[in-house]
Amino acid sequence: EAQVTQNPRYLITVTGKKLTVTCSQNMNHEYMSWYRQDPGLGLRQIYYSMNVEVTDKGDVPEGYKVSRKEKRNFPLILESPSPNQTSLYFCASSRIETDYGYTFGSGTRLTVV
Amino acid sequence: AQSVTQLGSHVSVSEGALVLLRCNYSSSVPPYLFWYVQYPNQGLQLLLKYTTGATLVKGINGFEAEFKKSETSFHLTKPSAHMSDAAEYFCAVSDSNYQLIWGAGTKLIIKP
Repeated sequence: EAQVTQNPRYLITVTGKKLTVTCSQNMNHEYMSWYRQDPGLGLRQIYYSMNVEVTDKGDVPEGYKVSRKEKRNFPLILESPSPNQTSLYFCASSRIETDYGYTFGSGTRLTVV
Repeated sequence: AQSVTQLGSHVSVSEGALVLLRCNYSSSVPPYLFWYVQYPNQGLQLLLKYTTGATLVKGINGFEAEFKKSETSFHLTKPSAHMSDAAEYFCAVSDSNYQLIWGAGTKLIIKP
């Protein structure tokens, strides 16, 4: 089944403790992206990647890192999480063509205390 | 810069009534337009998309949308609402850099 897999689905952590949210897709998509979703603010892009070893900042990159060492994986790293990073996170992937649309993962609900 | 405006953060309709969710966009190039749906505690799912050709696009679950270039609109409709349609709906337009520009979302509430 074609899908984007995120792990974990739920995570509670403490301020300053490094964490990684994994994202993997099995569709050989070139494009991958991370979003956060907060009430009243809609979807905001954190980082995106057009292909292996190519990443770029989205609208809200501060406090996040990403890497794209292989095509299928695009992990999101929070080196020193803070409470304002408590949010619902989504990974998405797509072919590079603009008319294709995105496939989303099921989301990761992160709470930083 | 491109932008997407969804009118109404919440829309409430009775079961069986017409659903109309509004989306207007600004774009300097011919747009590709999308509607996504997010059910509670789930990720976003593609509902329908307009790329080229017929301006009336049919999607899943009985939804459809019409691309009106003169009005820069891509409103989403369904003739008869079901309780299962309760969800949040997002309109998006693709830009020239392979990115999607998102609307803020509209929560659809279905009254019994």
